[in-house]
Order: sequence, then structure tokens, then C-alpha cells
Amino acid sequence: DTAVSQTPKYLVTQMGNDKSIKCEQNLGHDTMYWYKQDSKKFLKIMFSYNNKELIINETVPNRFSPKSPDKAHLNLHINSLELGDSAVYFCASSLDLGNTIYFGEGSWLTVV
Amino acid sequence: DAKTTQPPSMDCAEGRAANLPCNHSTISGNEYVYWYRQIHSQGPQYIIHGLKNNETNEMASLIITEDRKSSTLILPHATLRDTAVYYCIVRATGNQFYFGTGTSLTVIP
Repeated sequence: DTAVSQTPKYLVTQMGNDKSIKCEQNLGHDTMYWYKQDSKKFLKIMFSYNNKELIINETVPNRFSPKSPDKAHLNLHINSLELGDSAVYFCASSLDLGNTIYFGEGSWLTVV
Repeated sequence: DAKTTQPPSMDCAEGRAANLPCNHSTISGNEYVYWYRQIHSQGPQYIIHGLKNNETNEMASLIITEDRKSSTLILPHATLRDTAVYYCIVRATGNQFYFGTGTSLTVIP
């Protein structure tokens, strides 16, 4: 069973659309994250949630809105998609803020 | 912000030990050294971490120098499936993981 799972794995959409990426972890962890990996392969943290509360919000446009309905889920909603949003988005989780992070397999977003 | 320096790429013959170096000369006393790897088209995978003692698990060994300013990740018997980008990260408990550019390891048959 996959510990951190994301859907969809691949997403191709047009500029201006709104889309969501879902993430679920079955590890019983309290903290979840979203990372973005761009075309140059730099992996950058976007958000961090602990017990459903936002802890970290790096410099990310407000078109990106994470939502955590419970500790096991952290979804990423993106409004008014732009070409520059094309990237691989990784969800991750850890037992709490101080522990090792475990990543999902990524969601490949292409905006055309 | 990545506080580590790694060579951009390395090659290793299959079956040999792969030794991946990392410099972290500004590491603080409460910062751990973590290693992750990312195989092509997959999510980053945790390998090992340590504070000041050497560590070993089923995947690798981590050797940290006595002054903690550098470390080496050792894959004892590299296989083709070990071809990946390897990231060395220093991080204090409770802080975020910041990934640098890593070392692209190619295991050659």
C-alpha cells in the first residue's frame, strides 16, 4: 500500500482553468507538505500543515490554496492556471514537524 | 536555503561502492545531516540521517567527520537501480527541508 498517494499523476490543462491535486497519507502522520519541482529540477517547499493548520506558506501566489479536511489529507487547489505553473508537485508527510519526510510519487502538471 | 555543497555528478561501476561527498562547513550543533535520493520520475526517497555518529541501515552508510563539516554517503554495492540524484540536507529539528541541486549518480554496467 502506498504511504503517500497523490491524484492525478498526470494533468494537462489550459491556461486560466482551475484544478486540484489530492493527497492522502496512511502513515498516521500529523504534518503534511506540498513541494514544487520545476523544469530545472529545483525542489522547493510551498506549504506545510500540522494537524490541519497552516504552518509554513512560502512565497507562493495566492492562486494556490491548500486545504486540509483532516490530518490524512492535504489537497492543493490552483486557480487561473498559468504557463509557469507547469511543474511536478510532490505531496509529503512526516510524523510531526521535526521528523523525516516521506514523499508521494508526484503529480505532473502541464499548462498549455 | 541549501547549506550544503555537493559535486554535480559522479559515476560508479556496478558492484563497487559509491561514495558521495557533501560539505556542510556552516552546520550548527543542533542540525542533522539527511540524505535523500530521487530516481527519475519518482518522488524523493529518504535514505539515512545522522547527527554526529556514523550511521548504517539497509540502504547505506553515513560517515560524518569529527568536526561535522563534511559527510559521505556510502552505497556499498551500487546497482543500476541506484542511478539517481542524491541530495544532502542539513536541518535542525522542527525546521523545513531545503533541497539543493544534489549529485547525479550514474551507475555504469
